[in-house]
Amino acid sequence: ELKVEQNPLFLSMQEGKNYTIYCNYSTTSDRLYWYRQDPGKSLESLFVLLSNGAVKQEGRLMASLDTKARLSTLHITAAVHDLSATYFCAVVRNNDMRFGAGTRLTVKP
Amino acid sequence: ETGVTQSPTHLIKTRGQQVTLRCSSQSGHNTVSWYQQALGQGPQFIFQYYREEENGRGNFPPRFSGLQFPNYSSELNVNALELDDSALYLCASSLPAGPFNEQFFGPGTRLTVL
Repeated sequence: ELKVEQNPLFLSMQEGKNYTIYCNYSTTSDRLYWYRQDPGKSLESLFVLLSNGAVKQEGRLMASLDTKARLSTLHITAAVHDLSATYFCAVVRNNDMRFGAGTRLTVKP
Repeated sequence: ETGVTQSPTHLIKTRGQQVTLRCSSQSGHNTVSWYQQALGQGPQFIFQYYREEENGRGNFPPRFSGLQFPNYSSELNVNALELDDSALYLCASSLPAGPFNEQFFGPGTRLTVL
């Protein structure tokens, strides 16, 4: 069964600091996504990672994928308050998509 | 080009009732997926429709059913509502390149079951 684990589930960090969110999954997958969700809002697609070693960057966020380790990371560089949100990874295998529980990120001044 | 839209935005029902939620996919998208997101949790995949056929289903009972229409809009029907069905229901549409390609999510329908 495809399982997805994120850690940490809660993350409080200061502005300007760096941190990494981890996403582990249990079986081989076809692709991996990262999403952002603001409170009471829908999901916003951040990255789609398709192959081993894929790295994508957008602003202060960088996502990478290691299919051999079944691990994806979302690295936050020099955090700012606007990054406060919940971040989900999601893994696709065959015709199923599984989400992690989410990492609730709070960036404090 | 319009994005994914859902209706209604909020809905209150009582146990045992039936509900229909609607989703209009983004222009040109032929795949629609539905998700249930309980408060404080990640979305759970309900099912996906590709060119009007069910193309995958998560671990949800048969009282959750769906349709996709020729214009690729979609409905989610839930019969015999239970309290645990209270959640945000999200639909997402995908580009024609294939199922589970990059998905664009709608704003969601918040269902409360009393």
